[in-house]
Amino acid sequence: NAGVTQTPKFQVLKTGQSMTLQCAQDMNHNSMYWYRQDPGMGLRLIYYSASEGTTDKGEVPNGYNVSRLNKREFSLRLESAAPSQTSVYFCASSEALRTQYFGPGTRLLVL
Amino acid sequence: QQQVKQSPQSLIVQKGGISIINCAYENTAFDYFPWYQQFPGKGPALLIAIRPDVSEKKEGRFTISFNKSAKQFSLHIMDSQPGDSATYFCAALTEGRQLTFGSGTQLTVLP
Repeated sequence: NAGVTQTPKFQVLKTGQSMTLQCAQDMNHNSMYWYRQDPGMGLRLIYYSASEGTTDKGEVPNGYNVSRLNKREFSLRLESAAPSQTSVYFCASSEALRTQYFGPGTRLLVL
Repeated sequence: QQQVKQSPQSLIVQKGGISIINCAYENTAFDYFPWYQQFPGKGPALLIAIRPDVSEKKEGRFTISFNKSAKQFSLHIMDSQPGDSATYFCAALTEGRQLTFGSGTQLTVLP
């Protein structure tokens, strides 16, 4: 039982490049989330999926897109990376809208 | 707009001492208040949570104190240990909405 897994662990991009962050959970949770964590800012919600087939914007969605591929997988895409998107990205899942279980994070550096 | 304000930003405590982290919120519709613990290089993990109908919740060395009238809640870590050194986030949630996180407190417990 791996919980929430994220790939890659670390990525360096050049401005304008695109990439997809992958997230998968094996807890059969309905809800999944993408957050970014920046120093002094806490965790800010980018997008979430309350259930398979639905996605909604969070606090900071600009520059990102998401896909809820199936119940297990929720991906985050950066179409044209910018230095402001340098951050640590966390995926989380929950059965109800309360206890969220987080993955280990993806550290992204955009040059 | 920061709906959950957390202080202090960093905290240094001697082993065996009491660590206290404070949070204040603005939205009276919040009805669930979790604390997350994050070790370096890891994702946040739920530590303890409280609902506003109780004033205190204790789990081992960790206690949440809740003051509904002041719209404040705090985390107390009794007999702090070096293994408690981590970043702590308070958060708040309303039913049907998403978690709002505080900005985090980096706790260092000196041996």
